[in-house]
Amino acid sequence: AQTVTQSQPEMSVQEAETVTLSCTYDTSESDYYLFWYKQPPSRQMILVIRQEAYKQQNATENRFSVNFQKAAKSFSLKISDSQLGDAAMYFCAYRNYYGQNFVFGPGTRLSVLP
Amino acid sequence: GAVVSQHPSRVICKSGTSVKIECRSLDFQATTMFWYRQFPKQSLMLMATSNEGSKATYEQGVEKDKFLINHASLTLSTLTVTSAHPEDSSFYICSAIPETQSAYGYTFGSGTRLTVV
Repeated sequence: AQTVTQSQPEMSVQEAETVTLSCTYDTSESDYYLFWYKQPPSRQMILVIRQEAYKQQNATENRFSVNFQKAAKSFSLKISDSQLGDAAMYFCAYRNYYGQNFVFGPGTRLSVLP
Repeated sequence: GAVVSQHPSRVICKSGTSVKIECRSLDFQATTMFWYRQFPKQSLMLMATSNEGSKATYEQGVEKDKFLINHASLTLSTLTVTSAHPEDSSFYICSAIPETQSAYGYTFGSGTRLTVV
């Protein structure tokens, strides 16, 4: 069974600074998807970024980028120019290429300090 | 596009009663929907996979008779918590796959906070 680990229960960053959230996973599959989801206090799950395992190029979405290391099974999220609205729980998630359901990590609570 | 509506957002019920939570895909058809449960300060745990026109697939440890799932149409799945007890109090979230975007992240409902008193 696949597992997702987020070793940082809580992180904080100064506004406008950069922060990196860590995620590692375990799978025997070669094709899969990885995601970062944001859950603000409203509890709405919001997709931040996704990565296909067969793509070597790291995904980027504006201020959000990932460092995908397939061999190391690592998938970290970098948030640049942090904003107060980035404060939330961040979940790393895994999904098999032909599968349907997600496996979520335990989450990292990010605080942004003014 | 790809909006999932979940209703109600909050519900308080008495112990022993049943409560129904609806999950609707508003602008797409969803042959598959998922139901998650989230305890305070914890991650999302998959409870069951809901398939339109067939029986739901429950994860190990989830009581089928307590958490009844019905996916009667391509846009609606319901989760009924039967004979609710205080330990069923939790945050329940549904998600659905837009068929044309299956490679993308799924769309999640806004969740339902259930409190059993």
